Amino acid sequence: AQKVTQAQTEISVVEKEDVTLDCVYETRDTTYYLFWYKQPPSGELVFLIRRNSFDEQNEISGRYSWNFQKSTSSFNFTITASQVVDSAVYFCALSEARSGSEKLVFGKGTKLTVNP
Amino acid sequence: GAGVSQSPSNKVTEKGKDVELRCDPISGHTALYWYRQSLGQGLEFLIYFQGNSAPDKSGLPSDRFSAERTGGSVSTLTIQRTQQEDSAVYLCASSHPGLAGQETQYFGPGTRLLVL
Repeated sequence: AQKVTQAQTEISVVEKEDVTLDCVYETRDTTYYLFWYKQPPSGELVFLIRRNSFDEQNEISGRYSWNFQKSTSSFNFTITASQVVDSAVYFCALSEARSGSEKLVFGKGTKLTVNP
Repeated sequence: GAGVSQSPSNKVTEKGKDVELRCDPISGHTALYWYRQSLGQGLEFLIYFQGNSAPDKSGLPSDRFSAERTGGSVSTLTIQRTQQEDSAVYLCASSHPGLAGQETQYFGPGTRLLVL
């Protein structure tokens, strides 16, 4: 069965600190997809990144970077020089190719608070 | 272009009443998903549509829940005889099928349902 674990329930940092959000996943499928979404206080889920299981290249987008490691089944997300606007709940999600529906299984989320 | 829209944004109902929640996906997106977000259960998949068909209804929690999609576009999620445990935010997402496998799901703002 597929499962996503985000062990950090809440993280609080001061502006300009770097912060890493952890995500560990479980799947028996060899083809799968990993996602990160951001949910600001307004409530709408905002897509951040998609990664497929065949692509272990790390990715950087501005202050955001992602570290995908199949060996440890992890897909961690780092925000460099955090800003108050980064305050949100961040969700990691997994989708298995064999599910047919490509439904997302989400972790419980990590609430990030960036204080000025 | 326009994103996924949902209506109503908020719904308060009395226990035992029926409610209908509407989702308007991004134009051209043939895949449509319903999810539920509650404090206790996190983000859970409910149902998946491809066109007007629903090949995966595995997440519907009971037979009080049903959904339909018409014209390959708008979808309606109906909850009959609402119970207090149905109180949650109901999120709709859509995606466009691609050749690269799993495509990104884009979410609407959600309908916040409160059953009194």
